[in-house]
Amino acid sequence: DAGITQSPRHKVTETGTPVTLRCHQTENHRYMYWYRQDPGHGLRLIHYSYGVKDTDKGEVSDGYSVSRSKTEDFLLTLESATSSQTSVYFCAISPRGLAGGLTDTQYFGPGTRLTVL
Amino acid sequence: TQLLEQSPQFLSIQEGENLTVYCNSSSVFSSLQWYRQEPGEGPVLLVTVVTGGEVKKLKRLTFQFGDARKDSSLHITAAQTGDTGLYLCAGITGANNLFFGTGTRLTVIP
Repeated sequence: DAGITQSPRHKVTETGTPVTLRCHQTENHRYMYWYRQDPGHGLRLIHYSYGVKDTDKGEVSDGYSVSRSKTEDFLLTLESATSSQTSVYFCAISPRGLAGGLTDTQYFGPGTRLTVL
Repeated sequence: TQLLEQSPQFLSIQEGENLTVYCNSSSVFSSLQWYRQEPGEGPVLLVTVVTGGEVKKLKRLTFQFGDARKDSSLHITAAQTGDTGLYLCAGITGANNLFFGTGTRLTVIP
């Protein structure tokens, strides 16, 4: 299994509070991604990173920010959590990224279950 | 609006039966992948198809990419209980945007 960990694995928080989720990899892959998974929607891309300090928005980026100060860590921040952000969040990594078609393999972490009350 | 629709959403079959899962879209994809996800874990890549009409086999699983690169199917022969899980398709558009399908939850009953 690819070396990807996510922390915390479970979190319950209240509306309006800030939340940061961490993704850590030991594979030295260039690309890292944050997804959310909700019933009926599958996985949706929130943000991704193509290098240290290089990030871009995905399909559902509103209300989320990211940072990547080191190759191995990709942080997802909810500045002011809302109930609509209750979801399971997955981090993924890949060596080559999306350019040129999806021939690259994405390796997913175990997920973080976030509940916003 | 969901770019990739999967059907059926839920499927429960007896061990030994065959099944097909579909992934459909009105958009053209440069390539498409299938993943399987088990409870409490992240998705794991099964296959990538890149050419219209392409067929790939992985033991009892057969994957096909539509000729127009808008759809795909996954066929499982003689299903086993170990095939139980959530099956997801994912496609990338020419603009390098990645979309996942809505998922098909398969249960194989012994």
